[in-house]
Amino acid sequence: DAKTTQPTSMDCAEGRAANLPCNHSTISGNEYVYWYRQIHSQGPQYIIHGLKNNETNEMASLIITEDRKSSTLILPHATLRDTAVYYCIVRVDGAGNNRKLIWGLGTSLGVNP
Amino acid sequence: DTGVSQNPRHKITKRGQNVTFRCDPISEHNRLYWYRQTLGQGPEFLTYFQNEAQLEKSRLLSDRFSAERPKGSFSTLEIQRTEQGDSAMYLCASSSGLAWIDEQFFGPGTRLTVL
Repeated sequence: DAKTTQPTSMDCAEGRAANLPCNHSTISGNEYVYWYRQIHSQGPQYIIHGLKNNETNEMASLIITEDRKSSTLILPHATLRDTAVYYCIVRVDGAGNNRKLIWGLGTSLGVNP
Repeated sequence: DTGVSQNPRHKITKRGQNVTFRCDPISEHNRLYWYRQTLGQGPEFLTYFQNEAQLEKSRLLSDRFSAERPKGSFSTLEIQRTEQGDSAMYLCASSSGLAWIDEQFFGPGTRLTVL
């Protein structure tokens, strides 16, 4: 069962920041939050992940609340190429060091010119 | 291209037929995952290999499904006696298991349509 809930869809103007929220209120203390995106007809692509601290890389920033019950993915300057479905994911450690990703339904982000 | 590759990209079959998909992971990756994705849904975990050992299977993987990774390199996913409900995108991913990211790199997927 999915451990995350996200808005079904969002729009953003090109060049502006896109802020994608995610709720993961049942997350356990050792479970990571991952974000992937999927452009139409392609395989998912890793964006960023975190445990407790905020994280930033060349693609995005991840802001995690202190209670870890929610997070926000920030794309600082959205472009048309960022149009995709964005998945907020909880990573659960399974059998044999299986770092299993539990996916939600994702947010469809539309970037408008 | 050194990414994850999957073949075929598309497969149309009749109900009751058997199908087999192949995944070639990134060469130095010892972990391999299979996922299934239906329209409008996120990917669902099916099974996980570390080298040639299949260490976890989802309850979604009925006895009609079997996966192998014989030499710890490429993997195959076979579906026997296909049903219309098996129609989906089948995704393969691999990872190195190293570093705290342990990013899973995905292939383009195999889209299965069961008529």
